[in-house]
Amino acid sequence: DAKTTQPPSMDCAEGRAANLPCNHSTISGNEYVYWYRQIHSQGPQYIIHGLKNNETNEMASLIITEDRKSSTLILPHATLRDTAVYYCIVRADSGYSTLTFGKGTMLLVSP
Amino acid sequence: GAVVSQHPSWVICKSGTSVKIECRSLDFQATTMFWYRQFPKQSLMLMATSNEGSKATYEQGVEKDKFLINHASLTLSTLTVTSAHPEDSSFYICGSRDEGQGEEQYFGPGTRLTVT
Repeated sequence: DAKTTQPPSMDCAEGRAANLPCNHSTISGNEYVYWYRQIHSQGPQYIIHGLKNNETNEMASLIITEDRKSSTLILPHATLRDTAVYYCIVRADSGYSTLTFGKGTMLLVSP
Repeated sequence: GAVVSQHPSWVICKSGTSVKIECRSLDFQATTMFWYRQFPKQSLMLMATSNEGSKATYEQGVEKDKFLINHASLTLSTLTVTSAHPEDSSFYICGSRDEGQGEEQYFGPGTRLTVT
């Protein structure tokens, strides 16, 4: 699976949009971009994933550049409960493909 | 999304004893479950992949005789830490996929193991 690079930490004011970047310049054509987050002392939570089109769900939006070498996870209105470590993972979708977690981005949402 | 539970949520045991952690898929059948370990201030590391009805596949450096995995049914996988030592103290997390729904993995809430 391709390697990803994320900033170690970011700050965001409550109510504002949080934009979390991820670089994955070696991504292959069959690899998806997945985002998970982990709130302190809990298991990871799936957020969203995409291949090349932008995706949106009730939690977030995923913007993938046209060359697919980078992406941005957008939390449109961050709340204090969004404080967590966010992991960007690139993975080929197959029945037995595992997830490789990097160090992620620690997002701190402040009042 | 699919729901995965773990039991216990935390456990303290004495050095040399064994501890069993259960991982259950509550609303789907899980052919495959994944076991991760997370040390403080570090990321999750995959320990092994558990397959229903067959032997688990362990990652390099993980001792299969120390971390026994049993996946006897489509809703339950167990991880037994045998002869636990203080260095086994960690946060253990299981994950699984609802193969009928997609490729996303869903995770349990984790089990905090402290070996004294």
